[in-house]
Amino acid sequence: AQSVTQLDSHVSVSEGTPVLLRCNYSSSYSPSLFWYVQHPNKGLQLLLKYTSAATLVKGINGFEAEFKKSETSFHLTKPSAHMSDAAEYFCVVSNTGFQKLVFGTGTRLLVSP
Amino acid sequence: DGGITQSPKYLFRKEGQNVTLSCEQNLNHDAMYWYRQDPGQGLRLIYYSQIVNDFQKGDIAEGYSVSREKKESFPLTVTSAQKNPTAFYLCASSAPGPLLAQHFGDGTRLSIL
Repeated sequence: AQSVTQLDSHVSVSEGTPVLLRCNYSSSYSPSLFWYVQHPNKGLQLLLKYTSAATLVKGINGFEAEFKKSETSFHLTKPSAHMSDAAEYFCVVSNTGFQKLVFGTGTRLLVSP
Repeated sequence: DGGITQSPKYLFRKEGQNVTLSCEQNLNHDAMYWYRQDPGQGLRLIYYSQIVNDFQKGDIAEGYSVSREKKESFPLTVTSAQKNPTAFYLCASSAPGPLLAQHFGDGTRLSIL
């Protein structure tokens, strides 16, 4: 069975400082991994995805994530936070068969001026 | 622009009433999904459909029903058997293949009167 664990339910940063959102996964197969962002009362928007082509994945809005198989981690980072980054972020794993996604419980990112 | 349209944005249900949430996509995607989102629990899969006239139960299908008569439409009915329907409901779609991301609508918030 596959699962993801988002290690922090809330992360607070100041504008202009780095962002780190942590995610560990468990999968019996070579996984596909995604990060999605959700703004209040909105649907989910894809930030980036890992599909085994490269371990460092660049996404939209300056976010990137690194796949580390030895640590079973897929942490999301951004060098400099912006106020508009305040939202909820979900780490997601997919099996290699039909595209059934397993979602983490989310990390709420708070950005202060 | 291509995308997923969910309606209504807000919906209220009375005791013993069935309500139907609409989901329409113009992305020409074969697969469509319904998720339920509760605070602190991430997203949970209710039903999914890989092709017209076919659908499967997800992890929490009890008290819900769906139909898939057209490729672009995947309505969800919340029946009176669903005793705790208050939640944010998200519809998604994807093209075939395990490596492709799902695209989400902006959701419907269902509340009990």
